[in-house]
Amino acid sequence: AQKITQTQPGMFVQEKEAVTLDCTYDTSDPSYGLFWYKQPSSGEMIFLIYQGSYDQQNATEGRYSLNFQKARKSANLVISASQLGDSAMYFCAMRERSYGNNRLAFGKGNQVVVIP
Amino acid sequence: AAGVIQSPRHLIKEKRETATLKCYPIPRHDTVYWYQQGPGQDPQFLISFYEKMQSDKGSIPDRFSAQQFSDYHSELNMSSLELGDSALYFCASSSPSGTEDTQYFGPGTRLTVL
Repeated sequence: AQKITQTQPGMFVQEKEAVTLDCTYDTSDPSYGLFWYKQPSSGEMIFLIYQGSYDQQNATEGRYSLNFQKARKSANLVISASQLGDSAMYFCAMRERSYGNNRLAFGKGNQVVVIP
Repeated sequence: AAGVIQSPRHLIKEKRETATLKCYPIPRHDTVYWYQQGPGQDPQFLISFYEKMQSDKGSIPDRFSAQQFSDYHSELNMSSLELGDSALYFCASSSPSGTEDTQYFGPGTRLTVL
């Protein structure tokens, strides 16, 4: 079963506007971590932001913030003031800590294109 | 800051050949992970090593093997290559300090099997 669900179709965003990327997850592990990665067309996988299951506050990292709603099992990424360089595929990923491993399970990704 | 280094960046092989991918983790990171990302797909976990011991195994074909060496670099060995092995292969590394264990990815090795 898919642990991470990203269902939004490709998105076009106006430069300087904010964009929200949806991510829902499925786990019975009480201890888990949620990650967002950016993959530009060049292919590298760039870490953006992390949210732990026990974190009381939503994570923020520069223009990136994570809207963590634990009861709804969602971890949406918000990118503020979009820039042309934000055009990329964005992956949500989860690591379940209690199973003794650190593998990441990824969603299918959200494609974002920023237009001037 | 130093990042994960992968070599080669691009590799072209024929079917049934072998390939070796190398990964040099971020200094002081002791855990290495390998992921495979097919065209238009999300990355899939293959295998990981902690302190030179295999720590987790995912959907890695029996034709593939990997190890981590005393200097913490890792190699992924792929034999009897098939067309379906064409993919972007990522290595990631992490440090167990703190609770995040964030995995930092290398630039990837793009393998094309002809």
